[in-house]
Amino acid sequence: QQQVKQSPQSLIVQKGGISIINCAYENTAFDYFPWYQQFPGKGPALLIAIRPDVSEKKEGRFTISFNKSAKQFSLHIMDSQPGDSATYFCAASRSGATNKLIFGTGTLLAVQP
Amino acid sequence: EPEVTQTPSHQVTQMGQEVILRCVPISNHLYFYWYRQILGQKVEFLVSFYNNEISEKSEIFDDQFSVERPDGSNFTLKIRSTKLEDSAMYFCASRQESEKLFFGSGTQLSVL
Repeated sequence: QQQVKQSPQSLIVQKGGISIINCAYENTAFDYFPWYQQFPGKGPALLIAIRPDVSEKKEGRFTISFNKSAKQFSLHIMDSQPGDSATYFCAASRSGATNKLIFGTGTLLAVQP
Repeated sequence: EPEVTQTPSHQVTQMGQEVILRCVPISNHLYFYWYRQILGQKVEFLVSFYNNEISEKSEIFDDQFSVERPDGSNFTLKIRSTKLEDSAMYFCASRQESEKLFFGSGTQLSVL
């Protein structure tokens, strides 16, 4: 119940295209869903996050779509750029004393020029 | 922008040796974490620390692991007797009251 499933494992997109990464969770107690971007040799960096009371959140070229009934959420990267090439992790947490993040397995995105 | 700082960036040790991984969280943060990432795998929670005590730990965080915040600025992870399977990238993270978690760049631990 603690798992967050992420797909695809890897993704190749042409410059200017849309990158879509999907995640699914089981624990309905989760109430915070962030996406992290990680470049090689670096720590994960928060990209965008959403709570279950909204179905979509947009920040620049990055959009999270959230489907509470299906227990799924996805990251859309519009106008993908080579600089977006990185590993993307979805995560989930439950409000409380620790707010520990449960991470998905990651998606390696390559944006081809 | 404030950063979580981790040292060393790489640590090589022999199996059975003790290692201490060091972190300086962002100065006004209250909650501190260690996560680890085995090469090519997902990031896994190890332990959380708040108000000078462990608030939660994972199954990975057994008796060989300990954490300390000795002086109000540093946050350390000690592995008493390293095993081959402890080889991983270890990330320190911190946050304020909000959920936004800031990660350091990690310490790559290699146990030979």
